[in-house]
Amino acid sequence: NAGVTQTPKFQVLKTGQSMTLQCAQDMNHEYMSWYRQDPGMGLRLIHYSVGAGITDQGEVPNGYNVSRSTTEDFPLRLLSAAPSQTSVYFCASSYVNSGGLRNEQFFGPGTRLTVL
Amino acid sequence: GDSVTQMEGPVTLSEEAFLTINCTYTATGYPSLFWYVQYPGEGLQLLLKATKADDKGSNKGFEATYRKETTSFHLEKGSVQVSDSAVYFCALSDPFGGATNKLIFGTGTLLAVQP
Repeated sequence: NAGVTQTPKFQVLKTGQSMTLQCAQDMNHEYMSWYRQDPGMGLRLIHYSVGAGITDQGEVPNGYNVSRSTTEDFPLRLLSAAPSQTSVYFCASSYVNSGGLRNEQFFGPGTRLTVL
Repeated sequence: GDSVTQMEGPVTLSEEAFLTINCTYTATGYPSLFWYVQYPGEGLQLLLKATKADDKGSNKGFEATYRKETTSFHLEKGSVQVSDSAVYFCALSDPFGGATNKLIFGTGTLLAVQP
């Protein structure tokens, strides 16, 4: 099992450019999510998905789009990058068991994004 | 809304010293509580968890007890090693909290252990 994988590890963008951060998991987890990590603020939820074809907004969704066409993949798109999106981005996934109880989340290694 | 407060760092200790990182929370309902660890250049890893009051989570010599009466989940280790140097995050989740399974994180505490 590779677990949760993210690409790229590092990326530098200019203001206004667009890009997609990739996230994949091989654990057949229904639930996937994206967080951003900023100094002094912990991690904040951007978007999440409870299964293929279903996505919803988290705490800080503005400027980001997601889609979930397969169980394995959950890409995060920056439509027009801004310096405020300079951050470290983490993808996470977890099971949802039959009782609806959601389990601890598994995190990818992160993508460090700088927007100039 | 729900929130997590943890002690500011950095915490600098000598090897074999006792470690405590304080964490308190505010939540409606009965959250699950977690400690995650982030080693330099890596993603977050679950260190331990507790899902109900008085539960003790433990792993790799670290322990934390879910104290509902004081709304706390302090992380402790009796003898730290240089390899424990990392950022530690306290987090909570409402296990039945609708679709989000949102983890609410504290700001993280950097631990530096010196030989």
